[in-house]
Amino acid sequence: AQSVTQPDIHITVSEGASLELRCNYSYGATPYLFWYVQSPGQGLQLLLKYFSGDTLVQGIKGFEAEFKRSQSSFNLRKPSVHWSDAAEYFCAVGAPWNYGQNFVFGPGTRLSVLP
Amino acid sequence: NAGVTQTPKFQVLKTGQSMTLQCAQDMNHNSMYWYRQDPGMGLRLIYYSASEGTTDKGEVPNGYNVSRLNKREFSLRLESAAPSQTSVYFCASSEATANYGYTFGSGTRLTVV
Repeated sequence: AQSVTQPDIHITVSEGASLELRCNYSYGATPYLFWYVQSPGQGLQLLLKYFSGDTLVQGIKGFEAEFKRSQSSFNLRKPSVHWSDAAEYFCAVGAPWNYGQNFVFGPGTRLSVLP
Repeated sequence: NAGVTQTPKFQVLKTGQSMTLQCAQDMNHNSMYWYRQDPGMGLRLIYYSASEGTTDKGEVPNGYNVSRLNKREFSLRLESAAPSQTSVYFCASSEATANYGYTFGSGTRLTVV
């Protein structure tokens, strides 16, 4: 079974600073990897996903993530954070052909942004 | 462009009462899901429907039933609510498998007293 860890429970950055959120996964084969964002009182929104090919994936809202097989990581980055990026971020991993039963969300990293 | 619509947004139930959470999507997605989100427990799958006419149990199905009414609608029913079912419930849909990416509704905050 797959698993996901997000080592940072809470991160605080200043507006305009760069951001990196860490995600490590455990899965025996090439995983399907995702980052979702959840603003307060809202559902999760898909930022980006990785299946295969180029290991650097571009997403919405200026985010990107890099898949590193050797480190079992899929870290999320943004070069310059905006106050509106304050939210909770979830990394997730899915097995092939799953309808949620083999899809695991990480525990989340809460991002605070200082003005 | 509504996406996934859930009703109600908030609900308070007494122990033993029943209720149905409604969910509808307008993206012509084949698959629909119900998750619950609890502090410290993360997101857990309750039930899913891979296609119209099919439903299957997820990780935490006990105490719940679902109906895939048609391609657009997927409801979640609590027959006899318990305090342990106090949670935030999210409906989601995907074009096909979960690996296509979920579109989530804005959630229903349910409190059972």
